[in-house]
Amino acid sequence: RKEVEQDPGPFNVPEGATVAFNCTYSNSASQSFFWYRQDCRKEPKLLMSVYSSGNEDGRFTAQLNRASQYISLLIRDSKLSDSATYLCVVTSSGNTPLVFGKGTRLSVIA
Amino acid sequence: SAVISQKPSRDICQRGTSLTIQCQVDSQVTMMFWYRQQPGQSLTLIATANQGSEATYESGFVIDKFPISRPNLTFSTLTVSNMSPEDSSIYLCSVNREPYGYTFGSGTRLTVV
Repeated sequence: RKEVEQDPGPFNVPEGATVAFNCTYSNSASQSFFWYRQDCRKEPKLLMSVYSSGNEDGRFTAQLNRASQYISLLIRDSKLSDSATYLCVVTSSGNTPLVFGKGTRLSVIA
Repeated sequence: SAVISQKPSRDICQRGTSLTIQCQVDSQVTMMFWYRQQPGQSLTLIATANQGSEATYESGFVIDKFPISRPNLTFSTLTVSNMSPEDSSIYLCSVNREPYGYTFGSGTRLTVV
């Protein structure tokens, strides 16, 4: 079983739609959780950290369920510029390497 | 975010040759991480590079194939040795530095022919 598993995608949605990505992780010792965004031919960039209480940043909402080892990302009112691959990422402590899911590709269509 | 300068940005190499990738960080960091991203895949950790000690390699990666140097706290190199077409990938370095968190170099796109 892979350490971090994500919806395979791709997700093709119209502008303005709401889309949700799910992710599960296998290492119960994981301490930090992130969603990264990767545009085509670019390096991953941090979209947001994920906290147990859930957190929101504009149109983006992230949730973490430690008991189920489950992470989600909700994007509301999708924009064309949201088209990218979204990577679910975990790490076990402050300065250990990140472990990446395979990513979910999102295409927002006009 | 932490500034990481990675080069080269891309290269096309003949099989059997070696390529050295460099990453320079704008401040001192304890660890630097090297990842590989094969076409259509996510990032896989190759090794963790500490200054003053040998790099720690992940399963499936060995020092003879991917030697790493870490001469100081702001710089590291990864060499891809005796290349074959299967080594064609994007290679990325990464650091974790407060308050920016984990950031990445812009990547090296390697094609082996």
